[in-house]
Amino acid sequence: GAVVSQHPSRVICKSGTSVKIECRSLDFQATTMFWYRQFPKQSLMLMATSNEGSKATYEQGVEKDKFLINHASLTLSTLTVTSAHPEDSSFYICSARDLRLRSTDTQYFGPGTRLTVL
Amino acid sequence: AQSVTQLGSHVSVSEGALVLLRCNYSSSVPPYLFWYVQYPNQGLQLLLKYTTGATLVKGINGFEAEFKKSETSFHLTKPSAHMSDAAEYFCAVSGYNTDKLIFGTGTRLQVFP
Repeated sequence: GAVVSQHPSRVICKSGTSVKIECRSLDFQATTMFWYRQFPKQSLMLMATSNEGSKATYEQGVEKDKFLINHASLTLSTLTVTSAHPEDSSFYICSARDLRLRSTDTQYFGPGTRLTVL
Repeated sequence: AQSVTQLGSHVSVSEGALVLLRCNYSSSVPPYLFWYVQYPNQGLQLLLKYTTGATLVKGINGFEAEFKKSETSFHLTKPSAHMSDAAEYFCAVSGYNTDKLIFGTGTRLQVFP
């Protein structure tokens, strides 16, 4: 149980284009989803938190107009990197949590999406 | 505010040897503590967690960790390393009244035959 998927797993795009990454909870309803960014050989940095039906809360220093997050339903959140540039190249990981589960403290992570901007 | 410090970015052990990965935390509220494992180009898998209750927590793959409040530590151990344990390990902290997981910088475990 508690499986989270991400699509695509890997994407290469040209500078200036936009890229959408999907995060889905497959067997539970994710009332809260989180988006992280991980640079090579570094830890995960939280970018934003989204609750279903409301706007995402972005961490300090994260441009909300560049990283658009939509928690469209209880099983889907999307991250759109707009006008991507090479410095946006990174490993993006989502996680999900179901407040209705007993383990409300646990986040379940997706497998990640590697974005390369040329 | 919360933070996590993982001492040692790289740890190398021989197969069959004890694994010890160190984690110290700082938290202004009672902490929830987690260990996650990440294999190359994959997401994070929960190894174990401490929220309340018993301070010695057992997780998957033979790992365990002990919450020591007096030392603000949550070190991860495994009595006997396997080659398949080679991965990146992250310690993380959150709390009862916070949604956020704060991660340490990670420790890469290498296991030699």
